Amino acid sequence: GAVVSQHPSRVICKSGTSVKIECRSLDFQATTMFWYRQFPKQSLMLMATSNEGSKATYEQGVEKDKFLINHASLTLSTLTVTSAHPEDSSFYICSGASGKNSPLHFGNGTRLTVT
Amino acid sequence: AQSVTQLGSHVSVSEGALVLLRCNYSSSVPPYLFWYVQYPNQGLQLLLKYTTGATLVKGINGFEAEFKKSETSFHLTKPSAHMSDAAEYFCAVNAGNNRKLIWGLGTSLAVNP
Repeated sequence: GAVVSQHPSRVICKSGTSVKIECRSLDFQATTMFWYRQFPKQSLMLMATSNEGSKATYEQGVEKDKFLINHASLTLSTLTVTSAHPEDSSFYICSGASGKNSPLHFGNGTRLTVT
Repeated sequence: AQSVTQLGSHVSVSEGALVLLRCNYSSSVPPYLFWYVQYPNQGLQLLLKYTTGATLVKGINGFEAEFKKSETSFHLTKPSAHMSDAAEYFCAVNAGNNRKLIWGLGTSLAVNP
C-alpha cells in the first residue's frame, strides 16, 4: 500500500536551533499534506494543510513563522521548527493524500525534544 | 461544525473478551467516519472507515464498526481481544470535503492476560 516516509523518527535539539522534519510519499503523489502535533496522551491537533506548489494554510493559533511548511514537490513536504523552545517538544505527524477522495496515509511521526 | 466524543479514555479488557470502544459524533453534513490505531511512538493506521452504503463496516485485524445515524454513533468492536490489540484508538470525522479530520481524544486499550 501507499507509504509516507517521515524522518527523523526522533530528534533532540538545543533551544534556539531549528529542526527540519521531512515527509516523503514513496509510491503516490501527495497533492495535499497535513501536519499534526500530538501532546502526550492527547489527540492530534491539525497544524496546517499544504497543497503542492502553494502556501500552507495554518490553523488558528499556529505561528506560521515558527512552523515553516514547504511542499515544493508532489513527493516531499517539510516542516521546519524554527528557534525551537522546550514547549515545542512534541510528536509531529504528517499525512498525505493524492486526491480529493483518496485515503490519507500517515507517516510514523517524529518525536522532537528541545533541551 | 463537526465534533467527536470518545467515551472512556482508558478501556481494559481480558484477552479473549469483547472489545467495545465508543464514539459519538456531531455533524451538520453526512459524515465520513474513521477509526485509527496508534502504537507507541508510531503514526496512525487506518482500521476502517464509513463513507456511504452499508452501515456495518469491517476493518483490519478483526475490528468492525457500525454507523448508527439515529444514535450519532460509530462504536468500534472486536469479538475477541488479543494482546497485540493494546494501543491507542482514535475516532475521527471528516469535516466536509476539505479532507480535514476532526479527532476524538483517543481511547487507550489495555489487554490483560
